[in-house]
Amino acid sequence: EAQVTQNPRYLITVTGKKLTVTCSQNMNHEYMSWYRQDPGLGLRQIYYSMNVEVTDKGDVPEGYKVSRKEKRNFPLILESPSPNQTSLYFCASSLSGTSGSETQYFGPGTRLLVL
Amino acid sequence: AQKITQTQPGMFVQEKEAVTLDCTYDTSDQSYGLFWYKQPSSGEMIFLIYQGSYDEQNATEGRYSLNFQKARKSANLVISASQLGDSAMYFCAMREGASGGSYIPTFGRGTSLIVHP
Repeated sequence: EAQVTQNPRYLITVTGKKLTVTCSQNMNHEYMSWYRQDPGLGLRQIYYSMNVEVTDKGDVPEGYKVSRKEKRNFPLILESPSPNQTSLYFCASSLSGTSGSETQYFGPGTRLLVL
Repeated sequence: AQKITQTQPGMFVQEKEAVTLDCTYDTSDQSYGLFWYKQPSSGEMIFLIYQGSYDEQNATEGRYSLNFQKARKSANLVISASQLGDSAMYFCAMREGASGGSYIPTFGRGTSLIVHP
């Protein structure tokens, strides 16, 4: 089954404790991205990647890191989480990222609470 | 300035009636795509419908149709014969060209739709 998976689905952590949210897709997609969703703000892009070893900042990259060492995986790293990073996070992928017609496939979301 | 504007934070509709969710967009590109997604209370993002900037006909997918008015830069979602299961958050999104040949999606803030019996 074609899908995007994220782990963990729920996470409660404390300020400053490094964490990684994994994202994996099995559709051989070139393009992957991370979003955060906050009430009243919609989805805002954190980082995206057009291909292996190619990543770029989205609209809200501060406090986040990403890496793309393999095509299928795109982990999101919070080196020193803060309470304002409490949010719902989505990973998404699409075929190439070079067309306006590409539909994105979303993971199930990760709910993060930073205390 | 927002690239995608959804002016209705919340909408109510009676079951079996039609409802229109508004979306306006801002781009200077000629080639772009417009999308609608549904997010039920369970949280997942479900793709509903797509409209290309060069498509002359409005897109339709079952009970969903997209009222595309290019000159007005609007891409409203019309849901016909609403069902209780349509209660959800709805997001409008646009994919337009960016640097390096990439097409980066931008989302609106969403409209919460409640269908009541």
